[in-house]
Formats: sequence, C-alpha cells, structure tokens
Amino acid sequence: DQQVKQNSPSLSVQEGRISILNCDYTNSMFDYFLWYKKYPAEGPTFLISISSIKDKNEDGRFTVFLNKSAKHLSLHIVPSQPGDSAVYFCAATTNFGNEKLTFGTGTRLTIIP
Amino acid sequence: NAGVTQTPKFQVLKTGQSMTLQCAQDMNHNSMYWYRQDPGMGLRLIYYSASEGTTDKGEVPNGYNVSRLNKREFSLRLESAAPSQTSVYFCASSVEAGNTIYFGEGSWLTVV
Repeated sequence: DQQVKQNSPSLSVQEGRISILNCDYTNSMFDYFLWYKKYPAEGPTFLISISSIKDKNEDGRFTVFLNKSAKHLSLHIVPSQPGDSAVYFCAATTNFGNEKLTFGTGTRLTIIP
Repeated sequence: NAGVTQTPKFQVLKTGQSMTLQCAQDMNHNSMYWYRQDPGMGLRLIYYSASEGTTDKGEVPNGYNVSRLNKREFSLRLESAAPSQTSVYFCASSVEAGNTIYFGEGSWLTVV
C-alpha cells in the first residue's frame, strides 16, 4: 500500500520555465511533508519542508504547496535551471517528531537547455 | 565536513554470504537510519535507531540486523544474502526524531 504517491515517473521542462512536481498521500495522519533531491550516485539531500498548519512554504526558487483537503502537495521550481535536473522524492511523516518518513517513488526531472 | 559516511560503496556478494555495511556520522546526531532504494519503490526504511542504545524495525526489516555501536555508528548486517537484497543502501541521521534527515552517499550491493 503506497501511502505517498508520485504518479509522474519523469518530467521534462524547458530551462527558465516553471517545473511542477506533484505528490499525493492517502494517510490523513501525515502532518509534515518534505522534498528531497537526488543526483545520480549521491544520497538524497533535503530541499524544503512544510507542516500541516501551513499551505505554502517558500525558499528561493522553491515553493511547496499543501492542499490538505485533497491530500496533495506540489513543489514549484521557478525559474528552472539545468542544475535542477535530478530525481525528486516527496516524503511524509505523522505526529511531527515521528522518526519514520514514508517516501514516494520519485520523479525524474530533466531541464532542457 | 564529512557528514554521514558509509562503507563499502560497492560490494558483490554470493547468495548465502554475510556482510556488514558500516555507517558513521560526525554531526552529533541522536537518530540514525538505514534505507534501501529499489527502482520504482522509492526509499524504504529498513531499521532505525531513535537514540543510542535503541533500535526499531522499519518497513522492510526481514533479512537484516542492525547495531547501534555508539552515538556515531550504526551498522547494517546481512546474515545470509539473497538476490532480493540487491539494492542501493543509504544510511542517514537526524538531530532527533522528526528533524531533517541527512543521507550518506549510498552503498551499491549486488547479490548473485
């Protein structure tokens, strides 16, 4: 039972445009969400997070939106740059402070120069 | 700044052999984790240690054992490797439960 779903395995976006990566979850107890970025042959690195008390969190070119009623979150990258080409994982946890993160299957983002 | 260091980076095992993946962090983190990544499956938690002296099963613990040797080190052991354990293994740590998790670079394990 995949509790965190990233339904798009891959996404290609022109450099300078907006990249939108989507994530859906089924567990209504999830209250803290994170995005990780992974380059080939490296470990995932933390990108941005959001708690369920917010519906938006912004950090530079990266913005995460949370729609609790739809159990959906999205990561917006604008403008997209070639260095953004990577696999992006969405993750979620319950009871902020719980050590078990549940990850999605990832979306491979390719930025086309 | 080393962060999370795991060894070996690559390993080929025969079915039935045993091996230990080593992990150390130098960030004085309390919590440590072992994940595996398989194509189309995302990252799945094998075991975690919320603090020194404690370990708990994650989502896919079967076939593995762990040891939290001290605050810095958390090892993962495969007692009798199986082809289904062919995967990329990531060690990770966090200041404490619920904080941002920092990952090592990964260990590629192939069981033939």
